[in-house]
Amino acid sequence: AQKITQTQPGMFVQEKEAVTLDCTYDTSDPSYGLFWYKQPSSGEMIFLIYQGSYDQQNATEGRYSLNFQKARKSANLVISASQLGDSAMYFCAMRVPAGGSYIPTFGRGTSLIVHP
Amino acid sequence: DAMVIQNPRYQVTQFGKPVTLSCSQTLNHNVMYWYQQKSSQAPKLLFHYYDKDFNNEADTPDNFQSRRPNTSFCFLDIRSPGLGDAAMYLCATSGTGVETNEKLFFGSGTQLSVL
Repeated sequence: AQKITQTQPGMFVQEKEAVTLDCTYDTSDPSYGLFWYKQPSSGEMIFLIYQGSYDQQNATEGRYSLNFQKARKSANLVISASQLGDSAMYFCAMRVPAGGSYIPTFGRGTSLIVHP
Repeated sequence: DAMVIQNPRYQVTQFGKPVTLSCSQTLNHNVMYWYQQKSSQAPKLLFHYYDKDFNNEADTPDNFQSRRPNTSFCFLDIRSPGLGDAAMYLCATSGTGVETNEKLFFGSGTQLSVL
């Protein structure tokens, strides 16, 4: 069975500093996708970044980068130059095949607070 | 320009009174999902539709039902809401549902309160 683990319930960072949010995963399937989503207090889930299991390079999207260590089964999100608007819940998710389609599974999330 | 629309944004219902939450999409995506999210918890998948094929998660209570009359619309019916069903309900879509790189597109959610 697939599993996503986020061990940091809350993180604090100073504005303009970088922060790393941890995510580990477990799956026996060689083909999978890893995602990070941001959920502000308004509730809507916003896609941030994707990493495929066969991708050779770490994914980057603007200030977001994904530190993908396949052997360790980790997919940590790095946010550079934090902004006040980055304060939100962050969810790591994995998409693996299940019964002919791919089912996304989410971790418990990390609450990030950016201090001025 | 909203692509996944959930109505209403807030819903209040009484204990035991049936309630329906709605979701529509303009993306023409094959797959639609309903997630339940309680405070400070991960979203929990209740159902998903691959086209018209309905897939129920094994631990989704029988109290929850869903309908997808066409590609664009999907409904979540809670037949007899209990206090434990108070949560945010998130609707999401994805393209074909058969690729690992398909991101989910979410609606803004419906916050359900049960009195």
